[in-house]
Amino acid sequence: EDQVTQSPEALRLQEGESSSLNCSYTVSGLRGLFWYRQDPGKGPEFLFTLYSAGEEKEKERLKATLTKKESFLHITAPKPEDSATYLCAVQSFSNDYKLSFGAGTTVTVRA
Amino acid sequence: GAVVSQHPSWVICKSGTSVKIECRSLDFQATTMFWYRQFPKQSLMLMATSNEGSKATYEQGVEKDKFLINHASLTLSTLTVTSAHPEDSSFYICSATALVGGSYEQYFGPGTRLTVT
Repeated sequence: EDQVTQSPEALRLQEGESSSLNCSYTVSGLRGLFWYRQDPGKGPEFLFTLYSAGEEKEKERLKATLTKKESFLHITAPKPEDSATYLCAVQSFSNDYKLSFGAGTTVTVRA
Repeated sequence: GAVVSQHPSWVICKSGTSVKIECRSLDFQATTMFWYRQFPKQSLMLMATSNEGSKATYEQGVEKDKFLINHASLTLSTLTVTSAHPEDSSFYICSATALVGGSYEQYFGPGTRLTVT
């Protein structure tokens, strides 16, 4: 069974204070690892998909990296609008495109 | 591109009634859609996989007779909560798989807040 563990549960940052979120996973044959952003009362917004160890992707102040056991989402010089819950999910070759989600990390950025 | 819509965005119904939620892929065709539910401060839990033209596949513990799923076309899947009860109150979110740049990405709708009184 695919398992995804995110840490920390919550992260409070000062504006401009860079930090990283962790996503550890166990999966039998990784098809892809996904990062989403979710604002309260809304559906998840797609950020990145990573497919192989060593891969990196960037979007504005966010950068996602992938190893064989975990992924990191780096937030560089965050702004208050980066406050959200960040969800990590994995998709395995044996699971018909289903996503298994972690519990998420809630990031709060103070001005 | 890859926009998924849901309707309604929120609904209040009385216990014992049925509610239908629509999920549409607006600018792409989706052979596979997924339905999730999310309780407050919890992550998304997959309920079922909806495939166009065939029966939905339900996750363990999800009552298929209570949560009826129909995927009648490549752009529309519906979830009907039958004989709703207060414990069915939740945030229901659908997603659709789109082929983007040679890879299958999964895009989510904005969610439907169901409250059963």
